[in-house]
Amino acid sequence: GAGVSQSPRYKVAKRGQDVALRCDPISGHVSLFWYQQALGQGPEFLTYFQNEAQLDKSGLPSDRFFAERPEGSVSTLKIQRTQQEDSAVYLCASSPRQGGTEAFFGQGTRLTVV
Amino acid sequence: GENVEQHPSTLSVQEGDSAVIKCTYSDSASNYFPWYKQELGKGPQLIIDIRSNVGEKKDQRIAVTLNKTAKHFSLHITETQPEDSAVYFCAASSVSGGYNKLIFGAGTRLAVHP
Repeated sequence: GAGVSQSPRYKVAKRGQDVALRCDPISGHVSLFWYQQALGQGPEFLTYFQNEAQLDKSGLPSDRFFAERPEGSVSTLKIQRTQQEDSAVYLCASSPRQGGTEAFFGQGTRLTVV
Repeated sequence: GENVEQHPSTLSVQEGDSAVIKCTYSDSASNYFPWYKQELGKGPQLIIDIRSNVGEKKDQRIAVTLNKTAKHFSLHITETQPEDSAVYFCAASSVSGGYNKLIFGAGTRLAVHP
Protein backbone atom coordinates (compact mmCIF):
# COMPACT_ATOMS: atom_id res chain seq x y z
CA GLY A 1 0.00 0.00 0.00
CA ALA A 2 0.95 3.62 -0.33
CA GLY A 3 0.25 4.64 3.26
CA VAL A 4 2.40 4.91 6.37
CA SER A 5 3.21 1.44 7.66
CA GLN A 6 4.07 0.64 11.27
CA SER A 7 5.26 -2.60 12.80
CA PRO A 8 4.56 -4.45 14.91
CA ARG A 9 0.86 -3.60 15.32
CA TYR A 10 0.88 -4.95 18.85
CA LYS A 11 3.75 -5.44 21.27
CA VAL A 12 3.65 -6.85 24.78
CA ALA A 13 6.81 -6.24 26.76
CA LYS A 14 7.81 -7.25 30.24
CA ARG A 15 8.82 -4.36 32.46
CA GLY A 16 12.49 -3.67 31.97
CA GLN A 17 12.61 -5.06 28.44
CA ASP A 18 13.84 -2.97 25.49
CA VAL A 19 11.54 -2.50 22.47
CA ALA A 20 11.95 -1.14 18.94
CA LEU A 21 9.05 0.20 16.92
CA ARG A 22 9.37 0.65 13.16
CA CYS A 23 7.83 3.23 10.84
CA ASP A 24 7.88 3.08 7.04
CA PRO A 25 6.72 6.52 5.83
CA ILE A 26 5.14 7.26 2.49
CA SER A 27 7.89 7.17 -0.12
CA GLY A 28 9.49 10.55 -0.69
CA HIS A 29 8.00 12.20 2.39
CA VAL A 30 10.45 14.62 3.91
CA SER A 31 8.91 15.07 7.34
CA LEU A 32 8.35 12.33 9.90
CA PHE A 33 6.77 12.61 13.34
CA TRP A 34 6.32 10.25 16.27
CA TYR A 35 3.36 10.74 18.60
CA GLN A 36 2.23 8.92 21.74
CA GLN A 37 -1.50 8.36 22.28
CA ALA A 38 -2.77 7.33 25.70
CA LEU A 39 -6.15 5.64 25.94
CA GLY A 40 -8.96 8.12 25.37
CA GLN A 41 -6.60 11.02 24.66
CA GLY A 42 -5.32 12.90 21.67
CA PRO A 43 -1.87 12.17 20.26
CA GLU A 44 1.04 13.91 21.98
CA PHE A 45 4.15 14.96 20.11
CA LEU A 46 7.37 13.03 20.76
CA THR A 47 9.86 13.93 18.04
CA TYR A 48 10.27 15.30 14.51
CA PHE A 49 12.63 14.45 11.65
CA GLN A 50 13.26 16.41 8.48
CA ASN A 51 14.93 13.87 6.22
CA GLU A 52 17.58 12.26 8.44
CA ALA A 53 17.93 15.21 10.80
CA GLN A 54 16.14 15.03 14.13
CA LEU A 55 15.12 18.67 14.56
CA ASP A 56 13.05 18.33 17.70
CA LYS A 57 13.03 15.69 20.41
CA SER A 58 11.51 17.84 23.10
CA GLY A 59 8.51 15.54 23.55
CA LEU A 60 10.45 12.40 24.41
CA PRO A 61 9.43 11.59 28.00
CA SER A 62 12.85 10.49 29.24
CA ASP A 63 16.31 9.47 28.11
CA ARG A 64 14.99 5.91 27.82
CA PHE A 65 13.34 6.99 24.56
CA PHE A 66 15.44 7.25 21.43
CA ALA A 67 14.47 7.75 17.78
CA GLU A 68 16.46 7.58 14.59
CA ARG A 69 15.98 7.93 10.83
CA PRO A 70 19.49 7.29 9.51
CA GLU A 71 18.76 7.37 5.76
CA GLY A 72 15.88 9.76 5.77
CA SER A 73 13.22 7.14 5.18
CA VAL A 74 12.49 4.35 7.70
CA SER A 75 12.44 5.43 11.33
CA THR A 76 12.77 3.47 14.54
CA LEU A 77 11.57 4.49 17.99
CA LYS A 78 13.41 2.62 20.71
CA ILE A 79 12.36 2.44 24.34
CA GLN A 80 14.84 1.05 26.84
CA ARG A 81 13.95 -0.55 30.18
CA THR A 82 10.21 -0.22 29.53
CA GLN A 83 7.92 0.79 32.38
CA GLN A 84 4.17 0.41 32.79
CA GLU A 85 3.59 4.10 32.11
CA ASP A 86 5.06 3.58 28.63
CA SER A 87 1.94 1.59 27.68
CA ALA A 88 0.24 3.53 24.87
CA VAL A 89 -0.26 3.60 21.12
CA TYR A 90 2.75 4.98 19.31
CA LEU A 91 1.83 6.73 16.07
CA CYS A 92 4.08 7.67 13.20
CA ALA A 93 3.12 10.33 10.67
CA SER A 94 4.80 11.54 7.51
CA SER A 95 4.34 14.61 5.35
CA PRO A 96 5.59 15.57 1.90
CA ARG A 97 6.16 19.11 3.14
CA GLN A 98 9.26 20.40 4.88
CA GLY A 99 7.03 22.23 7.31
CA GLY A 100 5.19 19.02 8.21
CA THR A 101 1.65 20.10 7.36
CA GLU A 102 -0.76 17.61 5.75
CA ALA A 103 0.63 14.76 7.82
CA PHE A 104 -0.60 11.22 7.21
CA PHE A 105 -0.66 8.79 10.12
CA GLY A 106 0.06 5.09 10.29
CA GLN A 107 -2.14 2.66 12.20
CA GLY A 108 0.12 2.79 15.22
CA THR A 109 1.80 0.25 17.47
CA ARG A 110 -0.03 -0.60 20.67
CA LEU A 111 2.57 -1.20 23.36
CA THR A 112 1.53 -2.93 26.56
CA VAL A 113 4.09 -3.22 29.34
CA VAL A 114 3.29 -5.92 31.90
CA GLY B 1 3.04 26.64 24.80
CA GLU B 2 -0.05 25.91 22.76
CA ASN B 3 -3.13 24.43 24.45
CA VAL B 4 -6.16 23.13 22.55
CA GLU B 5 -9.54 22.58 24.18
CA GLN B 6 -12.18 20.53 22.36
CA HIS B 7 -15.93 20.25 23.01
CA PRO B 8 -18.06 18.25 23.37
CA SER B 9 -16.28 15.06 24.42
CA THR B 10 -19.19 12.97 23.14
CA LEU B 11 -21.87 13.77 20.58
CA SER B 12 -24.83 11.67 19.56
CA VAL B 13 -26.96 12.57 16.51
CA GLN B 14 -29.58 10.99 14.31
CA GLU B 15 -28.67 10.07 10.77
CA GLY B 16 -29.21 13.05 8.51
CA ASP B 17 -28.71 15.64 11.26
CA SER B 18 -25.75 18.01 11.43
CA ALA B 19 -22.89 17.71 13.91
CA VAL B 20 -20.69 20.54 15.17
CA ILE B 21 -17.45 20.16 17.11
CA LYS B 22 -15.68 23.20 18.54
CA CYS B 23 -12.08 23.86 19.51
CA THR B 24 -10.26 26.78 21.08
CA TYR B 25 -6.53 27.42 21.07
CA SER B 26 -4.28 29.60 23.14
CA ASP B 27 -1.31 30.55 20.94
CA SER B 28 -2.15 33.49 18.68
CA ALA B 29 0.79 32.49 16.45
CA SER B 30 -0.93 29.25 15.44
CA ASN B 31 -1.60 29.24 11.72
CA TYR B 32 -2.54 25.69 10.70
CA PHE B 33 -5.60 23.79 11.94
CA PRO B 34 -6.24 20.22 10.73
CA TRP B 35 -9.04 17.87 11.71
CA TYR B 36 -8.53 14.13 12.00
CA LYS B 37 -10.99 11.23 12.12
CA GLN B 38 -9.94 8.14 14.03
CA GLU B 39 -11.83 4.88 13.75
CA LEU B 40 -11.37 2.07 16.25
CA GLY B 41 -8.00 0.39 15.88
CA LYS B 42 -6.82 2.78 13.18
CA GLY B 43 -4.57 5.79 13.00
CA PRO B 44 -5.93 9.33 12.65
CA GLN B 45 -7.03 10.22 9.11
CA LEU B 46 -6.73 13.80 7.90
CA ILE B 47 -10.18 14.91 6.72
CA ILE B 48 -9.83 18.66 6.28
CA ASP B 49 -7.49 21.47 7.26
CA ILE B 50 -7.53 25.25 7.25
CA ARG B 51 -4.85 27.89 7.39
CA SER B 52 -5.03 31.18 9.21
CA ASN B 53 -5.47 33.27 6.07
CA VAL B 54 -8.83 31.61 5.35
CA GLY B 55 -12.07 31.90 7.33
CA GLU B 56 -13.93 28.88 6.00
CA LYS B 57 -13.26 25.80 3.92
CA LYS B 58 -15.68 23.18 2.59
CA ASP B 59 -15.29 19.69 1.21
CA GLN B 60 -18.59 18.02 0.33
CA ARG B 61 -20.41 17.40 3.66
CA ILE B 62 -17.56 18.72 5.79
CA ALA B 63 -16.72 22.33 6.54
CA VAL B 64 -14.36 24.07 8.92
CA THR B 65 -14.60 27.66 10.14
CA LEU B 66 -11.90 29.70 11.83
CA ASN B 67 -12.24 32.79 13.99
CA LYS B 68 -8.72 34.10 14.60
CA THR B 69 -9.85 36.94 16.82
CA ALA B 70 -11.64 34.61 19.22
CA LYS B 71 -9.08 31.85 18.68
CA HIS B 72 -11.59 29.16 17.94
CA PHE B 73 -12.37 26.87 15.04
CA SER B 74 -15.16 24.42 14.35
CA LEU B 75 -15.91 21.31 12.31
CA HIS B 76 -19.34 21.03 10.72
CA ILE B 77 -20.63 17.76 9.29
CA THR B 78 -23.93 17.91 7.44
CA GLU B 79 -26.26 15.04 6.50
CA THR B 80 -24.48 12.71 8.89
CA GLN B 81 -24.26 9.01 8.06
CA PRO B 82 -23.54 6.01 10.32
CA GLU B 83 -20.07 5.72 8.77
CA ASP B 84 -19.26 9.17 10.17
CA SER B 85 -19.22 7.56 13.63
CA ALA B 86 -15.67 7.86 14.98
CA VAL B 87 -13.49 9.98 17.25
CA TYR B 88 -12.64 13.38 15.80
CA PHE B 89 -9.57 15.36 16.83
CA CYS B 90 -8.79 18.98 16.18
CA ALA B 91 -5.23 20.25 16.23
CA ALA B 92 -3.39 23.53 16.04
CA SER B 93 0.16 24.39 15.16
CA SER B 94 2.48 27.25 14.40
CA VAL B 95 5.74 27.24 12.51
CA SER B 96 8.53 27.02 15.05
CA GLY B 97 12.02 25.92 14.15
CA GLY B 98 10.91 25.54 10.54
CA TYR B 99 8.12 23.02 11.02
CA ASN B 100 4.59 22.60 12.37
CA LYS B 101 4.25 20.65 15.60
CA LEU B 102 0.62 19.62 16.03
CA ILE B 103 -1.05 20.06 19.42
CA PHE B 104 -4.21 17.96 19.58
CA GLY B 105 -7.45 18.35 21.45
CA ALA B 106 -8.72 15.49 23.60
CA GLY B 107 -11.16 14.28 20.95
CA THR B 108 -14.91 14.06 20.37
CA ARG B 109 -16.61 10.70 20.09
CA LEU B 110 -19.36 11.08 17.48
CA ALA B 111 -22.13 8.49 17.28
CA VAL B 112 -24.56 8.66 14.35
CA HIS B 113 -27.68 6.57 14.93
CA PRO B 114 -29.65 5.17 11.96
